Amino acid sequence: QQQVKQSPQSLIVQKGGISIINCAYENTAFDYFPWYQQFPGKGPALLIAIRPDVSEKKEGRFTISFNKSAKQFSLHIMDSQPGDSATYFCAASPISYNTDKLIFGTGTRLQVFP
Amino acid sequence: NAGVMQNPRHLVRRRGQEARLRCSPMKGHSHVYWYRQLPEEGLKFMVYLQKENIIDESGMPKERFSAEFPKEGPSILRIQQVVRGDSAAYFCASSPPNGAGPGGYTFGSGTRLTVV
Repeated sequence: QQQVKQSPQSLIVQKGGISIINCAYENTAFDYFPWYQQFPGKGPALLIAIRPDVSEKKEGRFTISFNKSAKQFSLHIMDSQPGDSATYFCAASPISYNTDKLIFGTGTRLQVFP
Repeated sequence: NAGVMQNPRHLVRRRGQEARLRCSPMKGHSHVYWYRQLPEEGLKFMVYLQKENIIDESGMPKERFSAEFPKEGPSILRIQQVVRGDSAAYFCASSPPNGAGPGGYTFGSGTRLTVV
């Protein structure tokens, strides 16, 4: 119930293409869904996040799509660039329950080739 | 603003030794969180602390692991009698005192512990 399942494990995309990473959860108490970007040797950095009262959120080339009934959410990276090559983690948190901890997915290693 | 500072960046310990990992939160942040990242896995929550208080330690192993965040100085994650399975990257995050929660997290660059 506390798991967040993430796929694919790795992804190779051509420059200019669309990268899509999917996550699924079981715990209906989760109400905050962020995506993190991590470069080698660095800590995760918040990329974009969504609450379940909206179905989509867009920031620049990054879009989160959220399907509450299916308990799934995904990250879309439009016009993927070599600089986007990193590991991406989805996460979830039941922040309305006064807990500050995040449950992370297992990560997707994205490689964007020129 | 130097961000969340973790040291050392790399730590090598022999089996049975103690490991001490330090985390200085961002200026103005009073909440500290520790996460562990095993190779090829996501981050796993360990403990959430405020100054002089452990708020949630539900992710801490029952033995050998302890954490503190004293009134003065950095937060310390202590691992006693390390074993090979403790080899991982340990990340600290901090957030401000306004209840921002995970949305206000800033992660440090981590300490990579290797047990030989």
